[in-house]
Amino acid sequence: AQTVTQSQPEMSVQEAETVTLSCTYDTSESDYYLFWYKQPPSRQMILVIRQEAYKQQNATENRFSVNFQKAAKSFSLKISDSQLGDAAMYFCAYRSLDTGNQFYFGTGTSLTVIP
Amino acid sequence: TAGITQAPTSQILAAGRSMTLRCTQDMRHNAMYWYRQDLGLGLRLIHYSNTAGTTGKGEVPDGYSVSRANTDDFPLTLASAVPSQTSVYFCASSLDRGPYNEQFFGPGTRLTVL
Repeated sequence: AQTVTQSQPEMSVQEAETVTLSCTYDTSESDYYLFWYKQPPSRQMILVIRQEAYKQQNATENRFSVNFQKAAKSFSLKISDSQLGDAAMYFCAYRSLDTGNQFYFGTGTSLTVIP
Repeated sequence: TAGITQAPTSQILAAGRSMTLRCTQDMRHNAMYWYRQDLGLGLRLIHYSNTAGTTGKGEVPDGYSVSRANTDDFPLTLASAVPSQTSVYFCASSLDRGPYNEQFFGPGTRLTVL
């Protein structure tokens, strides 16, 4: 089964600064999808950004961007101009196209934004 | 739009009792999932269903059962609850193809088994 690793249980960033959250995954598949989800204290899971493995261009959504390194199996999330509302747990997720519709999640990174 | 609803929001349950967590989606997604979230362990898949009438086991299926009688509903049943099943449970759904294939999540159910 695919595994997703988030090696940073906790991170902190100063408001208005930039922070990068790491994610690596293990797979033998050539085509798949990657996602970052945000879970604020409200507990609701919110999609932040998605990346298709066959696309070399890194996905961007406003202040959120990814650095997708397919050969290295790395998928980091960069948050620019951090805001207090960015404080949350962030989960990296892998979607296999070979094993049905299953998603695989990392253990999460808790991000604190310091005013 | 409602998206995915879960009930109850929270519950305290005596060990040995049974309980069904309800999940309903109105997006006509073919795939549905149940996860449990525990501190430090992230989201772990309990059961999933790729289409109405079919179900499959995830990473931690023991002690749980599911059914998928129709597209919209995917209840999760604990036949005889144990304290280790204390967790936050999330229901999710997705399409199985196309570019917009992320998972959509319900608000979660916090279950405490005493």
